[in-house]
Amino acid sequence: KNEVEQSPQNLTAQEGEFITINCSYSVGISALHWLQQHPGGGIVSLFMLSSGKKKHGRLIATINIQEKHSSLHITASHPRDSAVYICAVRPGTYKYIFGTGTRLKVLA
Amino acid sequence: NAGVTQTPKFQVLKTGQSMTLQCAQDMNHNSMYWYRQDPGMGLRLIYYSASEGTTDKGEVPNGYNVSRLNKREFSLRLESAAPSQTSVYFCASSENTDRTTYNEQFFGPGTRLTVL
Repeated sequence: KNEVEQSPQNLTAQEGEFITINCSYSVGISALHWLQQHPGGGIVSLFMLSSGKKKHGRLIATINIQEKHSSLHITASHPRDSAVYICAVRPGTYKYIFGTGTRLKVLA
Repeated sequence: NAGVTQTPKFQVLKTGQSMTLQCAQDMNHNSMYWYRQDPGMGLRLIYYSASEGTTDKGEVPNGYNVSRLNKREFSLRLESAAPSQTSVYFCASSENTDRTTYNEQFFGPGTRLTVL
């Protein structure tokens, strides 16, 4: 079993839909990182959070450290949100552990 | 600030050839990383350098060597390229003042390597 699991692996949505991507982890951490990668593109940071909720535009990330779970929500989804979303943790070492990513496609 | 830069952006090699991928960061970060990304596999750690002067193996180090040239630069060398090393390579850096405080990683734009 991977230490960081994401679900779903693939997601297709219609423009305007509310989207939720989940990340569960089995190691002790102090914070979690959400990343975005557009097709053929680089990897950019979306959120780093250790408790509660963070919001940036139409993106909302939540985390429950005790339950070892985080969610990334996209409100009013748009085709430009089509990308791979990756969660990452660093459990008390210098090495980061990544989920395998959720591939999101938003149709116009 | 340029952030994390990588060269080259694209490279095609023949089996057995060698090459070095260059990475530099201008954020005064302590830790630097090399990952490879293959379809359906996610990011896999090749080598990392927790701080200047140290390097350690990740989960897929075979066939690669690294050099932390100074605090800014971390290079990845393929001594004898193999088709299995065809991948996208990302360099990343992080402030990482200590082992437990979480600092976000900043990624370079990637190098697409094809080994024929």
